[in-house]
Amino acid sequence: GENVEQHPSTLSVQEGDSAVIKCTYSDSASNYFPWYKQELGKGPQLIIDIRSNVGEKKDQRIAVTLNKTAKHFSLHITETQPEDSAVYFCAAKGGKAAGNKLTFGGGTRVLVKP
Amino acid sequence: GAGVSQSPSNKVTEKGKDVELRCDPISGHTALYWYRQSLGQGLEFLIYFQGNSAPDKSGLPSDRFSAERTGGSVSTLTIQRTQQEDSAVYLCASSLSGLATGELFFGEGSRLTVL
Repeated sequence: GENVEQHPSTLSVQEGDSAVIKCTYSDSASNYFPWYKQELGKGPQLIIDIRSNVGEKKDQRIAVTLNKTAKHFSLHITETQPEDSAVYFCAAKGGKAAGNKLTFGGGTRVLVKP
Repeated sequence: GAGVSQSPSNKVTEKGKDVELRCDPISGHTALYWYRQSLGQGLEFLIYFQGNSAPDKSGLPSDRFSAERTGGSVSTLTIQRTQQEDSAVYLCASSLSGLATGELFFGEGSRLTVL
């Protein structure tokens, strides 16, 4: 089945700097790659997603890039703010054989220092 | 509210007891997922319901775990003869019609502690 690896597991940045989180996936048939943000005591919430027919997508201070050949995708947060502190999860939806479910990475705990 | 509701929010039980966790999805959402989040770990898929189709149970870790979804709405995850390794946060999510439309809406989870 699909396997998703996420790095780094923790990331500390100064307010205003950029943060980058990287994920790799194993199933070349995967076609949907969302990113979720989980604040303390809450459930994960979708912040951005990208489909396999697109290489890059941007929404204000966040952007996601996808390299299908290398089977990796990344989340970029620019001009970080303290409210960006949270755990971020990447995920991938595998091909038909994998079923209609997401496989998540292990998460990245991001701390933005004021 | 209109979000996914889970109960109980916290459950402490003794090893060997059975527990039931409940999920109320967003009204009108046909897809419902259960995931497990162990301390400091990612989300592990357990089971997926879509409308009246047979559920995808491929993520259930053992036969002590089962889930049902009555009337296409509320779902209950049951863990029999709980073990300490079952301690985790159990997250439920619903979606308008599965991943074809993208977003999963998660509840806040049920934290299970097995002593």
